[in-house]
Amino acid sequence: KAGVTQTPRYLIKTRGQQVTLSCSPISGHRSVSWYQQTPGQGLQFLFEYFSETQRNKGNFPGRFSGRQFSNSRSEMNVSTLELGDSALYLCASSLSGAVTEAFFGQGTRLTVV
Amino acid sequence: TQLLEQSPQFLSIQEGENLTVYCNSSSVFSSLQWYRQEPGEGPVLLVTVVTGGEVKKLKRLTFQFGDARKDSSLHITAAQPGDTGLYLCAGEGSGGGADGLTFGKGTHLIIQP
Repeated sequence: KAGVTQTPRYLIKTRGQQVTLSCSPISGHRSVSWYQQTPGQGLQFLFEYFSETQRNKGNFPGRFSGRQFSNSRSEMNVSTLELGDSALYLCASSLSGAVTEAFFGQGTRLTVV
Repeated sequence: TQLLEQSPQFLSIQEGENLTVYCNSSSVFSSLQWYRQEPGEGPVLLVTVVTGGEVKKLKRLTFQFGDARKDSSLHITAAQPGDTGLYLCAGEGSGGGADGLTFGKGTHLIIQP
């Protein structure tokens, strides 16, 4: 079956702009989690959605937001981009939210200039 | 705040050698996962350990979960160039998938032919 699909793969934005990233989970998976990966901080949890509801949010400013649609596809949005937002953004999907069965997408590489 | 510390941060060895990567925390985790990530790709799950003292083997890779479920190790026997990559450990907190995974910063492993 198809894996987790993230689009776009690469993105270059200017400081102050906003950006929307998309994640299509594995068919049948209802949970989508988002992570930010940077060389300095590693992978950090952003938020998790299950059946269109955000169940938890990591320690990120309100500029980072997300949503999940009825087909389980998820989007995350970052407003007022800062240089420090440059990172690889990863989403992971799982059937029920159990992290023991989470599958990651290839990520979206965001560069803020 | 749960933290996972991985050591060493970087490791470069010759093909055929053995190595051990460590993942330590002062917190107890419900489960612990090991991932391998290659450049430009998302992490790929290698194994999940759940029970304290549990040992799992995946070909030349041996994973162990500490008795107190606070630490884990990954041992590779007769390393091969194909083992090169970023090895990440990640812990699941008591909140389950809704809290996301806590990741270590990873061990960059290079196996030289």
